[in-house]
Amino acid sequence: AQTVTQSQPEMSVQEAETVTLSCTYDTSESDYYLFWYKQPPSRQMILVIRQEAYKQQNATENRFSVNFQKAAKSFSLKISDSQLGDAAMYFCAYRSAYNTDKLIFGTGTRLQVFP
Amino acid sequence: EAGVAQSPRYKIIEKRQSVAFWCNPISGHATLYWYQQILGQGPKLLIQFQNNGVVDDSQLPKDRFSAERLKGVDSTLKIQPAKLEDSAVYLCASSLGRSNQPQHFGDGTRLSIL
Repeated sequence: AQTVTQSQPEMSVQEAETVTLSCTYDTSESDYYLFWYKQPPSRQMILVIRQEAYKQQNATENRFSVNFQKAAKSFSLKISDSQLGDAAMYFCAYRSAYNTDKLIFGTGTRLQVFP
Repeated sequence: EAGVAQSPRYKIIEKRQSVAFWCNPISGHATLYWYQQILGQGPKLLIQFQNNGVVDDSQLPKDRFSAERLKGVDSTLKIQPAKLEDSAVYLCASSLGRSNQPQHFGDGTRLSIL
């Protein structure tokens, strides 16, 4: 069975600085998708960025980028030029490319942004 | 486009009572998911529908939880009878159903069991 581990329960960053959130996963599958979701307090979960395992190039979405290391099964999220609105819970998630498309989530990292 | 709609936003009941949650997915989304998010944890899939058929309900406690998706659109999730450990946020999500398509989440229903 696949598992997702987020070892940082909380992180903090100052506005305009850069922060990196860690995620590791375990799978025996060769093809899959990885996601970072953001969940602000009492608000809906929204997709931040996604990565297809067959792509070597790291995904980038504006200030958000990932460092995908397939051999190491590592998928970290880098937030550049942090803004107050980035404060939220961040969840790393795995989805198989085969017979099921359910998301398997980590336990989350709470990001605080200080002015 | 309108997002995934869920109701109610909050529900408080006593243990052994029953409760139901409603979800309306994004128009045209064939796949609908119900996740349970216990405080301090990531969401866990309870059940997945493809149109009105069940694809995966392996983690649904079937002795007390049930779900249906009427005509392949709206869905309801029911708990009867509720236990203290059912206190959680229940998230509904929908997608187009192809594996490279993202899931879109609703605001969730926060359930508290007294």
